[in-house]
Amino acid sequence: SAVISQKPSRDICQRGTSLTIQCQVDSQVTMMFWYRQQPGQSLTLIATANQGSEATYESGFVIDKFPISRPNLTFSTLTVSNMSPEDSSIYLCSVRGSLSYNEQFFGPGTRLTVL
Amino acid sequence: SQQGEEDPQALSIQEGENATMNCSYKTSINNLQWYRQNSGRGLVHLILIRSNEREKHSGRLRVTLDTSKKSSSLLITASRAADTASYFCAPRGGNTPLVFGKGTRLSVIA
Repeated sequence: SAVISQKPSRDICQRGTSLTIQCQVDSQVTMMFWYRQQPGQSLTLIATANQGSEATYESGFVIDKFPISRPNLTFSTLTVSNMSPEDSSIYLCSVRGSLSYNEQFFGPGTRLTVL
Repeated sequence: SQQGEEDPQALSIQEGENATMNCSYKTSINNLQWYRQNSGRGLVHLILIRSNEREKHSGRLRVTLDTSKKSSSLLITASRAADTASYFCAPRGGNTPLVFGKGTRLSVIA
């Protein structure tokens, strides 16, 4: 299985500011994803992070609001830009795909509160 | 991507009892995965069952898959208070990301 770490684990931010969340995997993976889980809701896919090219965003999510980087096969960042209280959520990094497994694994999440 | 639908939405049982959760999906799959989420935390991968498998065990967990009915079930035997969590199924039909439904909220009462 993959071991995934996320930084920060939680943060409290002021509206109008931006926060960058880091995701580090202990092994090379083919695919990396970012999800959001708003309070009391299920997980919603934000985007697929593509190495060396622009991320693929799901409907309702745009690059200006959630810029994503993936410089290599083990690391990705998600930035939540110009935050508002509606962005208060848990943000989860997820990975899939290597020679050894088909499962999709999740990081511990970043709990974001926007005041 | 396709989304699984878990049933029931909520389940409350006594410690020591068995808990059964069901998942239905709409189109053909390569595999189906079950996850657990404790409150406010990340998803823990429980088990993956492939489309050519009918049953799989892991400790106190038993997962079945019926591709003709497009359904799966997760059985937790001899439940414990620590099993209290939300459980999600995630069917996967191709190389697309997993999409999640609302899950089943399991409460195990000591």
